[in-house]
Amino acid sequence: ILNVEQSPQSLHVQEGDSTNFTCSFPSSNFYALHWYRWETAKSPEALFVMTLNGDEKKKGRISATLNTKEGYSYLYIKGSQPEDSATYLCAFFKAAGNKLTFGGGTRVLVKP
Amino acid sequence: EAGVVQSPRYKIIEKKQPVAFWCNPISGHNTLYWYLQNLGQGPELLIRYENEEAVDDSQLPKDRFSAERLKGVDSTLKIQPAELGDSAVYLCASSSDRVGEQYFGPGTRLTVT
Repeated sequence: ILNVEQSPQSLHVQEGDSTNFTCSFPSSNFYALHWYRWETAKSPEALFVMTLNGDEKKKGRISATLNTKEGYSYLYIKGSQPEDSATYLCAFFKAAGNKLTFGGGTRVLVKP
Repeated sequence: EAGVVQSPRYKIIEKKQPVAFWCNPISGHNTLYWYLQNLGQGPELLIRYENEEAVDDSQLPKDRFSAERLKGVDSTLKIQPAELGDSAVYLCASSSDRVGEQYFGPGTRLTVT
C-alpha cells in the first residue's frame, strides 16, 4: 500500500497572505507527482504534473516544488485570494505502476 | 473542448435499491477511470478502462458494483444493492494516456438512507 500524506488537513488563510502545504510520498519507484485543485461543486482541476527532481512549476500565484529523493512536494500560494479556497490534492504515480494514489487533500479557506 | 460529463450530480436512494451513474469522457481519451471519494479522503480508484477493456478492477467490490464501457466511449457504474456505506462522491476521469494528466468530471454525490 502506497502512503501519500498531505499536511495540514486544513488551513485558514487571511486574504493577501501567502501559504504553503506539503505532500509526502514514497521516495522509491517515483514516476510522477500530480497536483489538483478541487473547488466545491466543481470538477477537480489539474494544476501540475511533475516528474523531475528539483522541478519547480508555476501557474499564476500558485507554484510547486518537487524533491523525489526525500519524497516531498510543496505547493505555494502567493497573496491568497478568496477564489483560492479549495481542496488541494496531490497524487503519486509509481514507476511501472498503473494508477494514481491520492493524498487526503489540504482544504484551504481564504478569509476576506 | 467539452469536459468530462457526469450524471446525475446528486442522487438520494434508500438502502438495498439499485443506482447507476453515467460518464461521458473527453473525446479521444482512451483511458477512463471511476473513483470513489469519501469525506475527508482522497479519491480511490475503483476501475480503469483502456478503450472498452477493464484493465484494473482490483478495487471494485464485485459483489455489488459493476461497470461497463461499451464501444470504448461512455461508461456506466452500477451499484446493486446499495448499502449505507456507499454514500460518497463517485468521480469519473479520463486521460489520453495512463500516466498523464487526468481530467475529472464534477462527480455524483450519492446519499444512501
